[in-house]
Amino acid sequence: KAGVTQTPRYLIKTRGQQVTLSCSPISGHRSVSWYQQTPGQGLQFLFEYFSETQRNKGNFPGRFSGRQFSNSRSEMNVSTLELGDSALYLCASSLGGYRDSMEKLFFGSGTQLSVL
Amino acid sequence: EDQVTQSPEALRLQEGESSSLNCSYTVSGLRGLFWYRQDPGKGPEFLFTLYSAGEEKEKERLKATLTKKESFLHITATKPEDSATYLCAVRGLIQGAQKLVFGQGTRLTINP
Repeated sequence: KAGVTQTPRYLIKTRGQQVTLSCSPISGHRSVSWYQQTPGQGLQFLFEYFSETQRNKGNFPGRFSGRQFSNSRSEMNVSTLELGDSALYLCASSLGGYRDSMEKLFFGSGTQLSVL
Repeated sequence: EDQVTQSPEALRLQEGESSSLNCSYTVSGLRGLFWYRQDPGKGPEFLFTLYSAGEEKEKERLKATLTKKESFLHITATKPEDSATYLCAVRGLIQGAQKLVFGQGTRLTINP
């Protein structure tokens, strides 16, 4: 069974640009959540999608947005990039039932974003 | 304010030694405490879920325990392949919403 796939693996952008990251969950998983990981702040929750609806949201500015498609694949968008957005962005999937929500997450290897 | 604190930040052991990693938390309405392992360049890998104080889970040389305020991940007879960052996460009521909060992790290095 294929794991969670994130593309691209690495990205280099400049300040002010926007970026879109992609995540394909494990087959059959309906919940996709996104996390930002930095050495200083650790892993921070961005948002969670279930059945194409945002079910939960972390404390990030509106520049960070996401969506989920009918096949459960998800994209995350960051507009007007800032230097502080440089981080590893991780996507995780789970079965998605209420009890499963945010539990036993299966993570992808992440997209390393560098903002210059 | 920190809701999940892990200690120590880093730990270096000789192969064969044993130790315990700590995760203390301050959240209301705990819905679950999770341990993950993260290798460099990879996403975290699920290890355990604990739901209530007194619960214990075991897998090979790893054992996780939970009290009302903290959890321990005990690692026995360590091997170099145990080297990784161990992350603790807590799901509970934070700022009026169900959230999952990760600790900063403990970076474990096992020397052969």
